[in-house]
Amino acid sequence: NAGVMQNPRHLVRRRGQEARLRCSPMKGHSHVYWYRQLPEEGLKFMVYLQKENIIDESGMPKERFSAEFPKEGPSILRIQQVVRGDSAAYFCASSEYTGELFFGEGSRLTVL
Amino acid sequence: AQTVTQSQPEMSVQEAETVTLSCTYDTSESDYYLFWYKQPPSRQMILVIRQEAYKQQNATENRFSVNFQKAAKSFSLKISDSQLGDAAMYFCAYRILTQGGSEKLVFGKGTKLTVNP
Repeated sequence: NAGVMQNPRHLVRRRGQEARLRCSPMKGHSHVYWYRQLPEEGLKFMVYLQKENIIDESGMPKERFSAEFPKEGPSILRIQQVVRGDSAAYFCASSEYTGELFFGEGSRLTVL
Repeated sequence: AQTVTQSQPEMSVQEAETVTLSCTYDTSESDYYLFWYKQPPSRQMILVIRQEAYKQQNATENRFSVNFQKAAKSFSLKISDSQLGDAAMYFCAYRILTQGGSEKLVFGKGTKLTVNP
């Protein structure tokens, strides 16, 4: 049973470009969470999704950030017009209903 | 608002010795979950141990155990017989369940553990 798969592991973008981060949850998991980790910080909640629904996006910046979890395919975290402050590690986690969260290895975004 | 505080940015321990990492949290809830996660240099978040607040017995997983003091809102992690592979960042986390059906983890800032041979 493969774990949570994230790609790319490393992504470099110039200011103003778009970043797309993908997350495939563990098999059988229908709940996906995105967290952001800034340098020297703990993880901060961004968004919680179920298939085709955003349940809680209270941690998402109001602009430039969006997330989806379509019926088919991986969950996508999209950051438009990236700025240097978006440089961080972005972690995806999945779970069955209110079960243990399993984390992926993270995607490290560097904005030049 | 729920907060999690780890007051030790860094700790070190000799191999085979015991070390305790501190964590305090703030909540008005009576039922909740607490976690310790390990983040090695590979950066993957690995669950170390979990504690349900309604359980009085402290959780134990092999060399890892917790001292859960509910009244004091304290949740420390004890690592016995420390091994070189225990070197990592350790994060304490609190799980929030909202009335809207959402759940999220609130993390502390972490403690960097160094294990000296």
